[in-house]
Amino acid sequence: NAGVTQTPKFQVLKTGQSMTLQCAQDMNHNSMYWYRQDPGMGLRLIYYSASEGTTDKGEVPNGYNVSRLNKREFSLRLESAAPSQTSVYFCASSDVTGWTDTQYFGPGTRLTVL
Amino acid sequence: GNSVTQMEGPVTLSEEAFLTINCTYTATGYPSLFWYVQYPGEGLQLLLKATKADDKGSNKGFEATYRKETTSFHLEKGSVQVSDSAVYFCALIRNSGNTPLVFGKGTRLSVIA
Repeated sequence: NAGVTQTPKFQVLKTGQSMTLQCAQDMNHNSMYWYRQDPGMGLRLIYYSASEGTTDKGEVPNGYNVSRLNKREFSLRLESAAPSQTSVYFCASSDVTGWTDTQYFGPGTRLTVL
Repeated sequence: GNSVTQMEGPVTLSEEAFLTINCTYTATGYPSLFWYVQYPGEGLQLLLKATKADDKGSNKGFEATYRKETTSFHLEKGSVQVSDSAVYFCALIRNSGNTPLVFGKGTRLSVIA
């Protein structure tokens, strides 16, 4: 049982390049999330998927797209990377159990955009 | 809207000192409240939670009590260890299963021997 896995762990991009961050969970959870973590800002939600086949914008969706490929996988795409997207990105998942959701986080992807 | 306010860090304590990290919230209805911890180089993990007023969450010597009258969920530990050095996040979720967590900005704790 690996929990939530993310790839890659580190990435350096040039401005304008594109990339996809991958996330998978093996806990049969319904909901999945993408956050970014910046110094002094805590975690901010980019997009989430409450269930397979649905996605919704979070607090900071601009410059990102997501795909809920199946129940296990939820990817985050940067179409044209900008230095402002330099951050640590976390994927999380939760099983919808009413209003006591516990989210399980992956180890993060550290992205630098030059 | 829903929000969480945590005391700003960093907090530096000596081993065996008493820890309090303040957390207050604003929310409609009756949210569930959480403390997550992030150890260096890792993702967040749940430390404890409380789902209704006056509930006390506890884990690994940490405790927090859901105080509806003061809209607070302060984290406490009686005797911290060096291994408790981490960033602590207070968070809430509304009482609806399909809504995401709202996080505070985090408080960095450093414990020195």
